[in-house]
Amino acid sequence: EDKVVQSPLSLVVHEGDTVTLNCSYEVTNFRSLLWYKQEKKAPTFLFMLTSSGIEKKSGRLSSILDKKELFSILNITATQTGDSAIYLCAVNRDDKIIFGKGTRLHILP
Amino acid sequence: ETGVTQTPRHLVMGMTNKKSLKCEQHLGHNAMYWYKQSAKKPLELMFVYNFKEQTENNSVPSRFSPECPNSSHLFLHLHTLQPEDSALYLCASSQESLAGGLSYEQYFGPGTRLTVT
Repeated sequence: EDKVVQSPLSLVVHEGDTVTLNCSYEVTNFRSLLWYKQEKKAPTFLFMLTSSGIEKKSGRLSSILDKKELFSILNITATQTGDSAIYLCAVNRDDKIIFGKGTRLHILP
Repeated sequence: ETGVTQTPRHLVMGMTNKKSLKCEQHLGHNAMYWYKQSAKKPLELMFVYNFKEQTENNSVPSRFSPECPNSSHLFLHLHTLQPEDSALYLCASSQESLAGGLSYEQYFGPGTRLTVT
């Protein structure tokens, strides 16, 4: 059975801290792994990862994929209150996409 | 017919044209989605409909207008598009929606390859 597991389910840190969000998966016919940020509206796309060991960066956010160990991490450095959101990990197969339950991140000022 | 179907499979349109993409799901799902897949931002989620109610996505230009008349049908109306809108447009459906961060699966249609000239 295909599954995507994210941890932790929730996380509270202070502004300026660095956080690491985890995503492990068991999916056949893997095509790509995606990270989304969801606030009150529809999720916004962050990263798509297809190859192991290649870090993708966007400002204070970065992500990397390990296809051997079947996991990905999303790092956020120097966190800000605007980073508070649910972070969703999803794995894309040929015919469907499987989402994890998300990590609810709350940044304290 | 089963699964998620999309029509047309290929579409070429000029920047002044008005066209519509159609998606139909036969899975009894309650939520439907439009994705855009291009080289610059692969698999970008555009719109979410849960029980026919749209979740706003302000990042999508107004030249894209979704319509969901019922839980089985989803349209994407296109007008005055730009060449950079050329992409593969994928429709998907799921039993639940993205709201709440539940673990679930979305099933894709085959997509419409759109070229804007």
